[in-house]
Amino acid sequence: GNSVTQMEGPVTLSEEAFLTINCTYTATGYPSLFWYVQYPGEGLQLLLKATKADDKGSNKGFEATYRKETTSFHLEKGSVQVSDSAVYFCALSNAGNNRKLIWGLGTSLAVNP
Amino acid sequence: EPEVTQTPSHQVTQMGQEVILRCVPISNHLYFYWYRQILGQKVEFLVSFYNNEISEKSEIFDDQFSVERPDGSNFTLKIRSTKLEDSAMYFCASLGRLGSYNEQFFGPGTRLTVL
Repeated sequence: GNSVTQMEGPVTLSEEAFLTINCTYTATGYPSLFWYVQYPGEGLQLLLKATKADDKGSNKGFEATYRKETTSFHLEKGSVQVSDSAVYFCALSNAGNNRKLIWGLGTSLAVNP
Repeated sequence: EPEVTQTPSHQVTQMGQEVILRCVPISNHLYFYWYRQILGQKVEFLVSFYNNEISEKSEIFDDQFSVERPDGSNFTLKIRSTKLEDSAMYFCASLGRLGSYNEQFFGPGTRLTVL
């Protein structure tokens, strides 16, 4: 079946540090891949997405590349800010599953000034 | 910008009581979903709904749960007899089309607390 494995947190970084959050997936066919962010006390916001192999999703300085050969979709940011402190979820959806989202466990990121 | 809305934002109920969580999806969307997130845990799929019927449900979505689109705008999740373990954030989402490029839009969630 479909599944998402995500790097466990919490991750604590200093401002301007480089961020990587690993995400790998198992899926049939050609899933779409997503990163969602959840700020403290808030709902789920789409951060970025990629719909086919080698696509790069990007938003707010974050990037992730859809790597079919390694079944990965790692999230990166070159210089994090305190305002990036949140929980990050990797997820996939598949046409064969009504596009329901399959979620990773989430990675909590704390950025210190 | 169109958005998904959910009411109430917080619901407190006694164990064994029925609750109805309400969602208003984006108006021209066709596919609707409920997810839940137990505090500190991952987001879990509950049910998907299309063309006025359930298209898929998870093992969590047992006979105590039901969904309805009563009037063409609201999308509701009912829990008939709540249990302590139903305490969670419940998120509604809607999707316009099933194409790979399309994304689900989420509501802000309803926090359900069962005492």
